[in-house]
Amino acid sequence: AQSVAQPEDQVNVAEGNPLTVKCTYSVSGNPYLFWYVQYPNRGLQFLLKYITGDNLVKGSYGFEAEFNKSQTSFHLKKPSALVSDSALYFCAPYNQGGKLIFGQGTELSVKP
Amino acid sequence: NAGVTQTPKFQVLKTGQSMTLQCAQDMNHNSMYWYRQDPGMGLRLIYYSASEGTTDKGEVPNGYNVSRLNKREFSLRLESAAPSQTSVYFCASSDVSGANVLTFGAGSRLTVL
Repeated sequence: AQSVAQPEDQVNVAEGNPLTVKCTYSVSGNPYLFWYVQYPNRGLQFLLKYITGDNLVKGSYGFEAEFNKSQTSFHLKKPSALVSDSALYFCAPYNQGGKLIFGQGTELSVKP
Repeated sequence: NAGVTQTPKFQVLKTGQSMTLQCAQDMNHNSMYWYRQDPGMGLRLIYYSASEGTTDKGEVPNGYNVSRLNKREFSLRLESAAPSQTSVYFCASSDVSGANVLTFGAGSRLTVL
């Protein structure tokens, strides 16, 4: 069965510190991997995606994600967190059936 | 550009009532989707339409029906609402089905009493 796991329901970070939001997946074949962000009372917005190539993918708002095939992980990172980064983050691998599978989400809280 | 527009934004129903959630996109996308979001469960796919004239079941289709009215519009119908269908519903669209980026609507919050 194909699945995705975001092991942390919540991540708390101080402003200016680096942040990591973790994601592991189980998808057959070569995965396509996405991160989406949801701000309060809004729909999801695309952040970045990995299809092939460089394992470090850069996306919107200074976020990046590292693809690790051996660990089947796709962790979201940012070198210096902002209060405005506080939101709900979803990892979403694409399965070979042609649909995205969304993780349960990780709430990121950045405090001043 | 409006992107993906969903109506209504909020709705309260009694058990057994029916309603239709409307979704329209103005990006000329081929594929459209309906998801529901519940706390701690992420987004689960209800139905999708890879292209005009086709619809397919997703992960949680029971209790729902859909209509791809034309390329722009994709509606979700609850024929007999149940409290378990209390959720936030999101419509999304993408250029092609599969690994392309989804554009989401703002969501429709439905409460079934």
